[in-house]
Amino acid sequence: GAGVSQTPSNKVTEKGKYVELRCDPISGHTALYWYRQSLGQGPEFLIYFQGTGAADDSGLPNDRFFAVRPEGSVSTLKIQRTERGDSAVYLCASSPSRGSTEAFFGQGTRLTVV
Amino acid sequence: GNSVTQMEGPVTLSEEAFLTINCTYTATGYPSLFWYVQYPGEGLQLLLKATKADDKGSNKGFEATYRKETTSFHLEKGSVQVSDSAVYFCALRVNSGNTPLVFGKGTRLSVIA
Repeated sequence: GAGVSQTPSNKVTEKGKYVELRCDPISGHTALYWYRQSLGQGPEFLIYFQGTGAADDSGLPNDRFFAVRPEGSVSTLKIQRTERGDSAVYLCASSPSRGSTEAFFGQGTRLTVV
Repeated sequence: GNSVTQMEGPVTLSEEAFLTINCTYTATGYPSLFWYVQYPGEGLQLLLKATKADDKGSNKGFEATYRKETTSFHLEKGSVQVSDSAVYFCALRVNSGNTPLVFGKGTRLSVIA
């Protein structure tokens, strides 16, 4: 694919439900990032993968949030027992290699918890 | 900690006006600096970047100079167009490599004909 692909583009879920958000990075990109963007705010870092491992998960707000990247390509962000405050746009980005300064972003998944 | 502060919007300008969006930063290390742009209905795109002091990043008529002495990276354009209407984000990345970006809150620019 030409760019970072995120699915679904929109997700509406009920409070307390479990959701999974998927990110397909640009082929060959080793670094993958998840960010969360609330209305009127800039993207806030959640977690960063280098290959299959989470290099930095310090931005995950609590243990309801978890992310995996089992084969070093596609990543899934998982949110348990969703709360209304989790409503936001979840952004994924990837970078080609160590030493690269540019991150390429997907269009995001808009999550609405009702 | 690392943080970015940019001027609050929205900013509304007439076509061909001069644009400045202020951005200042705080960083524990020696950061690279970026401006990202988000056009309506699209994802974040890199607009320009600078990796060391006194570097000037430029693209599509936009410019920003990395000023270490004032810890700033202000975005400028001499003559804006309606198509420049978007949200602009200043960001930094400390250290080399793929450490996460730290973003400002964004500034919405509207250009009217």
